Parts: sequence; C-alpha cells; structure tokens
Amino acid sequence: DSGVTQTPKHLITATGQRVTLRCSPRSGDLSVYWYQQSLDQGLQFLIQYYNGEERAKGNILERFSAQQFPDLHSELNLSSLELGDSALYFCASSSPILRGHSYNEQFFGPGTRLTVL
Amino acid sequence: EDKVVQSPLSLVVHEGDTVTLNCSYEVTNFRSLLWYKQEKKAPTFLFMLTSSGIEKKSGRLSSILDKKELFSILNITATQTGDSAIYLCAVEEGNYGGATNKLIFGTGTLLAVQP
Repeated sequence: DSGVTQTPKHLITATGQRVTLRCSPRSGDLSVYWYQQSLDQGLQFLIQYYNGEERAKGNILERFSAQQFPDLHSELNLSSLELGDSALYFCASSSPILRGHSYNEQFFGPGTRLTVL
Repeated sequence: EDKVVQSPLSLVVHEGDTVTLNCSYEVTNFRSLLWYKQEKKAPTFLFMLTSSGIEKKSGRLSSILDKKELFSILNITATQTGDSAIYLCAVEEGNYGGATNKLIFGTGTLLAVQP
C-alpha cells in the first residue's frame, strides 16, 4: 500500500457524460500527478499540481481538467466522454523537491478504471 | 518530441532463465531514468539511475544506464513466476532544482515466466 488513495475504483459511464476522479496523496506530499494508461498508449503523463498550483502539463485533452485543493487532495474532471477515454487513471504523489536531491520517488495509487460505453 | 522506447514488447521465458529488458530514450532535460514493475495494480518502484555505468542491484534484479548511448537495461536472473509483470521504464524530465519531475513512460515490456 503506497499511501495514495483513489476513488472510485471502477467507473462505468456513457459517452457524453462527465466524471470526477479523486485522489488523496500520501501524508506530507505536496505534488500530485495524474496519468492515463490505455492499452495502445501506455502510461501517459497528464498533469502535475504542486501545493495547489498547476506545475506541469502533459498530453491532457481540453475536455479534461484538474485541480488540487487546500487539503492537497486532487480531482481530475473528464467531460464529454468518448469511447477512447476508457483507461486506467493513476494518481501519484511525491514529496517536495529538496536541494541536492535529484529525484523524489512518485508513489502511485491503485488507479481508477474508467469504462465509457 | 520526447520519447521512451522499450523492447521487447513482450517475452515468455521459463523459470530459471535470465532476461534483459531494454529501454532507449530521447528526452531533453534528462534528470534520471527509473524502472517500475506493474502487476495487477499500480506501478511499484524498482530503481532510479542518474549516472552512467553504475549498476544498481536488488536481489536478482540489476540495472545500468548509458547516458552517452541513451539507453538502460534491466536484468533479471533466475526468473521466478512471481516476476511476471509489466516492466515500465520512465525518464524524469525537468529542470534541476525545480518542483517538476514529470515522468515520461515507455509502453512497457510484458514478461511472462512459465513454471
């Protein structure tokens, strides 16, 4: 158990709908990352938040948005869903980058499986 | 465009075999290369490599990075059925000292170890 929690575990919805995925980072972690994993694309970075602010953006569609709240939990909102949005969505968290450290390990949550029918 | 390429896409071996998984990359602002193991759920961290030529080892797993040729290998010796998983290679991209460490993942190598 990484300490990162994600809800719901599994989500089934219809095309055109909107869903919200929720992530709670490990205690003390300020950074939250969202990834999408599909069979044909592999694991793709979507977006990063650091202490409430957007820090980096990857291949995130305009129909998708995210935010990080003052309590550091994060939500990923997916709207106008299409069949191709069906995927496993992972959230990861990491500690603040400290001077002298080259990397802070990202701890992954269990993922939310989204199925769009 | 930054990219990470893994090979082979999948392989099937028998218990006791040794396997080598490959990862090549083209990433600007390279900071580190990481290997993850993904079974049914979330990826779990295996190694982080930042310097060329220094082997990292953990039990039967080892990995090395070549920053000149832009690749890394992950070796697993005396494979066991519990090693069956997807092995993901990721490159950390970002500016040193910043609070951004975006990971660019390869598509993974699916390893199946048969008894």
